[in-house]
Amino acid sequence: KAGVTQTPRYLIKTRGQQVTLSCSPISGHRSVSWYQQTPGQGLQFLFEYFSETQRNKGNFPGRFSGRQFSNSRSEMNVSTLELGDSALYLCASSPLGGAGELFFGEGSRLTVL
Amino acid sequence: KQEVTQIPAALSVPEGENLVLNCSFTDSAIYNLQWFRQDPGKGLTSLLLIQSSQREQTSGRLNASLDKSSGRSTLYIAASQPGDSATYLCAVRPTSNTGNQFYFGTGTSLTVIP
Repeated sequence: KAGVTQTPRYLIKTRGQQVTLSCSPISGHRSVSWYQQTPGQGLQFLFEYFSETQRNKGNFPGRFSGRQFSNSRSEMNVSTLELGDSALYLCASSPLGGAGELFFGEGSRLTVL
Repeated sequence: KQEVTQIPAALSVPEGENLVLNCSFTDSAIYNLQWFRQDPGKGLTSLLLIQSSQREQTSGRLNASLDKSSGRSTLYIAASQPGDSATYLCAVRPTSNTGNQFYFGTGTSLTVIP
């Protein structure tokens, strides 16, 4: 069974630009969560989508947004990039009706110059 | 707000030693707790998931325990190997959340010396 796939793996942007990251969950998983990981703040929850609906949202500004498609694939978008947005963005999927176990992808490393 | 703490932040041990990693959380109202390992520049690999009704889970050389009332979990690694070198993170899912929001500790960086 294929794991969680995130694209792109690495990207470099400049301040003010926007970025879109993609996540394909494990087949059959309908919950997709996004986390931001930085050396200073550790792992912080961004949002979770389930059946195309945002179910939870963390404490991030409105520049961070996401969506989920009918095939459970998810995208997150960051607009008007700031230097502090440089981070590893991790996507996790979880099975419906399961124990809530999270399975993570390899992440997308974003560098903002 | 749930806060998760992991002590120590870093640990260095000789190969073959048994070791214990600690995780504490401030709110005992959790649905479950999960342990992960993370290699440098990589994503997180799930190690063990403990439901709130369970006291421990085992997988190979790993054993995780949960004491919900005291807000503590430990990850025991037996007969450590150099390949165990990684950062170990624990995460809790509060019962107050309807979804899969987990709160993470900052991790313990483990180095196993050959």
